[in-house]
Amino acid sequence: ETGVTQTPRHLVMGMTNKKSLKCEQHLGHNAMYWYKQSAKKPLELMFVYSLEERVENNSVPSRFSPECPNSSHLFLHLHTLQPEDSALYLCASSQDRDVYSGNTIYFGEGSWLTVV
Amino acid sequence: GQNIDQPTEMTATEGAIVQINCTYQTSGFNGLFWYQQHAGEAPTFLSYNVLDGLEEKGRFSSFLSRSKGYSYLLLKELQMKDSASYLCAVKNQGGKLIFGQGTELSVKP
Repeated sequence: ETGVTQTPRHLVMGMTNKKSLKCEQHLGHNAMYWYKQSAKKPLELMFVYSLEERVENNSVPSRFSPECPNSSHLFLHLHTLQPEDSALYLCASSQDRDVYSGNTIYFGEGSWLTVV
Repeated sequence: GQNIDQPTEMTATEGAIVQINCTYQTSGFNGLFWYQQHAGEAPTFLSYNVLDGLEEKGRFSSFLSRSKGYSYLLLKELQMKDSASYLCAVKNQGGKLIFGQGTELSVKP
């Protein structure tokens, strides 16, 4: 139990579906992240929210739409995805985004997404 | 560009010692992290180095040389449960964590 909970753990969706991934952190952190993890590839940072404001968007296609209603919750809305979007999507949180801080980020267990 | 390199796979024997290397080239440096990820689970924090030298934590140690852009994770007295993927990550000057692709460690009896 890392203090970061993701649902659903597994999702299969068609290319025309609309679905959402949910993340909740119970650690009192003020920064939250979405990462994509594909086989044999480094973790890719998708979005960063700090104090509920999006501070980073790493050229992610618009078919992925994040939402952060408060500092404890983060969503990733999915629409008209492609098969190559199939991957493990990891949510994470941290105490702050201080550049010089050694604070680690805490990951959820991820949502396995398969696009068919 | 920014690049983190680590071996894709390693195999070691239970009870032995294994060293997982990581080299990096990033825009600035604000610390290096190691994470452990078991199959189907969340990556979990192992260590953080920002100054040169060795940090020891039980069976695990992590070393950093900033001048060489190099780190290693040392695992002693290997146990079967240490079979996992080990991720090296560097925080760059913008505060972003750049990850390597991970090293899949298999511990054999």
